[in-house]
Formats: sequence, structure tokens, C-alpha cells
Amino acid sequence: QSALTQPRSVSGSPGQSVTISCTGTSSDVGGYNYVSWYQQHPGKAPKLMIYDVSKRPSGVPDRFSGSKSGNTASLTISGLQAEDEADYYCCSYAGSYTFGVFGGGTKLTVL
Amino acid sequence: EVQLVQSGAEVKKPGESLKISCKGSGYSFTSYWIGWVRQMPGKGLEWMGIIYPGDSDTRYSPSFQGQVTISADKSISTAYLQWSSLKASDTAMYYCAKMVNYYFDYWGQGTLVTVSS
Repeated sequence: QSALTQPRSVSGSPGQSVTISCTGTSSDVGGYNYVSWYQQHPGKAPKLMIYDVSKRPSGVPDRFSGSKSGNTASLTISGLQAEDEADYYCCSYAGSYTFGVFGGGTKLTVL
Repeated sequence: EVQLVQSGAEVKKPGESLKISCKGSGYSFTSYWIGWVRQMPGKGLEWMGIIYPGDSDTRYSPSFQGQVTISADKSISTAYLQWSSLKASDTAMYYCAKMVNYYFDYWGQGTLVTVSS
């Protein structure tokens, strides 16, 4: 099972919005509404930011939102803040054989 | 408070065996899948496999099938990841995480495994 495809890096200035894409296939992203997104700061464990494509866990700011169209999921961060600078990973359920697959990760730089 | 506490860093030689652990607390350990995720140095997250401690049902990513063994002891709320013969390429940070409906909501702090001769 190949990793989901994410851009290696994205950047934005404080206050701006950025969108990170996550492209898979009809066997994973396109086939199920089970896409999740994780934020990872250097040296730290990942943190859940979005689950089930667009749901936010308690405590995650509403500046973070998720969506999906076809085989591509997206994470949008609006009102960028310095503390949003981190690596972001998407993950999708991929059926009962493979079960789960991550994207390659995207480094977000806040300029 | 949900917590997953992993065992400490390990330094091993190629060919040696290893078992690392992940102890859950603050929730019903037997009612949720626990997953293991690998992160090689400077690289991304890789989904390794999951176990349901209630009945030890285990699923492996095809990439890791036969390379590692995932197990659990529900009597002490602990999941394990083990290798029978380590390789240098197993050097990585390994995370355990609690899974709910195909997403990981709580993560352990990670266990760094270094394999070097």
C-alpha cells in the first residue's frame, strides 16, 4: 500500500490561510469517510487535529477544518499563528487488509 | 485522564531481540484497539498494525507482516511490539496510540530504538 500523497511543504504568513492536500485512491481516501489529520511538533508525539474527514476533537481550535472531494482530502488552517508551524500528516482507513495508511507529511512554515 | 506510557529508549545490536511496551490507563483498555506507528529518523509516520486487547485480534500492515509481532496482556493493560532479530533499518521512534473508529486519539510519548553494531 503506497503512502498517501501530500505536498512536502507549504507556507503562509500570520493571519493567512493555508490548505494541505492529501491524495489517495478509491481504495482509501475516496472509499471511506475515515480521514484523520495529525500535527507533530519537533521531538513530540503526533496530536489528533481532525477525524472522520471534518470533525474536530475537543480542544482543537476551529481555525482547523477538514474536507474531502473524491480521492483528495484537505486540511485548512485559517488565521495562521506561529504555533501552527509543525509537520502535518493525513491518515486514511484503507480496508480490512491494509487497514490504515499515512500520508508522507507536510512541513508548514509560518513566515 | 487517558494516558499511554511507553517503555524507555533501547540500544541494541543487529540480530538481537527486543520487546517494547505501552501501558494504558484512564480508560477501558480492553475496549479499544491499540496501534503501533513507526517514524524513522527524519521521516514520516508509518502505520504498522493494531491489536484489540479484549480478544488479542491483531492486524498488520502488509509492509510489517512477518517483521514484527504485536501482542497485549489485558491483565496489566499493556500492549507490546517485538522483534526476534533486529536490523539496523529498525532504528526508529515507535509510537503506540489508542484507536477509535480508525483514528488515533491518544498517543504515547514514543520509544526510540537504536540498532547499531
